[in-house]
Amino acid sequence: RKEVEQDPGPFNVPEGATVAFNCTYSNSASQSFFWYRQDCRKEPKLLMSVYSSGNEDGRFTAQLNRASQYISLLIRDSKLSDSATYLCVSSDKFYFGSGTKLNVKP
Amino acid sequence: DADVTQTPRNRITKTGKRIMLECSQTKGHDRMYWYRQDPGLGLRLIYYSFDVKDINKGEISDGYSVSRQAQAKFSLSLESAIPNQTALYFCATRATGAGNEQFFGPGTRLTVL
Repeated sequence: RKEVEQDPGPFNVPEGATVAFNCTYSNSASQSFFWYRQDCRKEPKLLMSVYSSGNEDGRFTAQLNRASQYISLLIRDSKLSDSATYLCVSSDKFYFGSGTKLNVKP
Repeated sequence: DADVTQTPRNRITKTGKRIMLECSQTKGHDRMYWYRQDPGLGLRLIYYSFDVKDINKGEISDGYSVSRQAQAKFSLSLESAIPNQTALYFCATRATGAGNEQFFGPGTRLTVL
């Protein structure tokens, strides 16, 4: 089993929709996680960090569920510019998930 | 100027050639990482280094070697390139500490014919 697993998608949603992705992890000792955004063939850039209960930044909310060993990313009021691949990574080994592709349609 | 730079940005080579990809950083971070990315597979960790004397294998180190020449420089070598090493390669740096994120270079697109 991979350290971190994600649904590859794609998630196709209309503008204004709310969309959520999950990322499961296998190491119960992992302390913190990160969500990165990656545009096509560009370098990943940090979107949010996730510790303990969660984190919120504007339209984005990340949460950590230790009991079920997953982290989630919620995007409210989706914009066309949110179209990208979203990658999660745990801070113990920095192994990434395969990424979830989001397409926001007009 | 970019904090994390990679050279070359693009490289086409032939099977069997030795290739070196270089990464430099001005962030003063002690930890550096090499990843490769293939379509649909996310980033896979090749090697990582916690300091100049500490080199560790990642998920997929076979066929690769690394050298940490200084705190600011971490190079990745393919001793004898093969076509399935065609990929996008990223270098990343990070400061020590559980809550610190990685910063990525712009990537090197390598094609092995």
